[in-house]
Amino acid sequence: QISLKESGPTLVKPTQTLTLTCTFSGFSLSTTEVGVGWIRQPPGKALEWLALIYWDDDKRYSPSLKSRLTITKDTSKNQVVLRMTNMDPVDTATYFCAHLNWGSAPQHWGQGTLVTVSS
Amino acid sequence: QSALTQPRSVSGSPGQSVTISCTGTSSDVGGYNNVSWYQQHPGKAPKLMIYDVYKRPSGVPDRFSGSNSGNTASLTISGLQAEDEADYYCCSYAGSYTFPFVFGTGTKLTVL
Repeated sequence: QISLKESGPTLVKPTQTLTLTCTFSGFSLSTTEVGVGWIRQPPGKALEWLALIYWDDDKRYSPSLKSRLTITKDTSKNQVVLRMTNMDPVDTATYFCAHLNWGSAPQHWGQGTLVTVSS
Repeated sequence: QSALTQPRSVSGSPGQSVTISCTGTSSDVGGYNNVSWYQQHPGKAPKLMIYDVYKRPSGVPDRFSGSNSGNTASLTISGLQAEDEADYYCCSYAGSYTFPFVFGTGTKLTVL
């Protein structure tokens, strides 16, 4: 079955770069129409899309955060990495990765990882 | 690309029905039969309850149903149960030329 797990630092300082890794099993990112997305949720607030990457290396970024985000995949390791630069306390959130098929919203999600931005 | 609009909160008693709306535009909700609904309990990851407007993943009770009309999609939960108390989010496909998905603002369902 499909599973995903996020990993990375729990605490980052303002202006630092956040690097999160999504490690997954049960599917391959080399399979046509498969993708992995990153979504975040600040405490007590709504879900927010960040970035997507598809099997063909098509990458999509939230227009409001595009300048700060980079998403990459390592098919051989079954991993997707998200980098977010210039972190700010407002970026404090639980960060989720999720499996999706092209054109369909994600069904399978990781458990999420809480990232706190504070000096 | 703005978030879809949902009511901040809805409530109902056990056994009753509630409907949560999700309003977008012709560029998302109104343009595609591709709206999903998620249930999220505190501290948990979202769970897919409805996809493609009205389809239910395996294991989701048929008390959960979806529909849409114009630029507004709706999630109806009938026969409310205590465990239905959660946050609910809609998510719509928004086309392939920009970021392809957009979430709703979220609705807190309280079972009285």
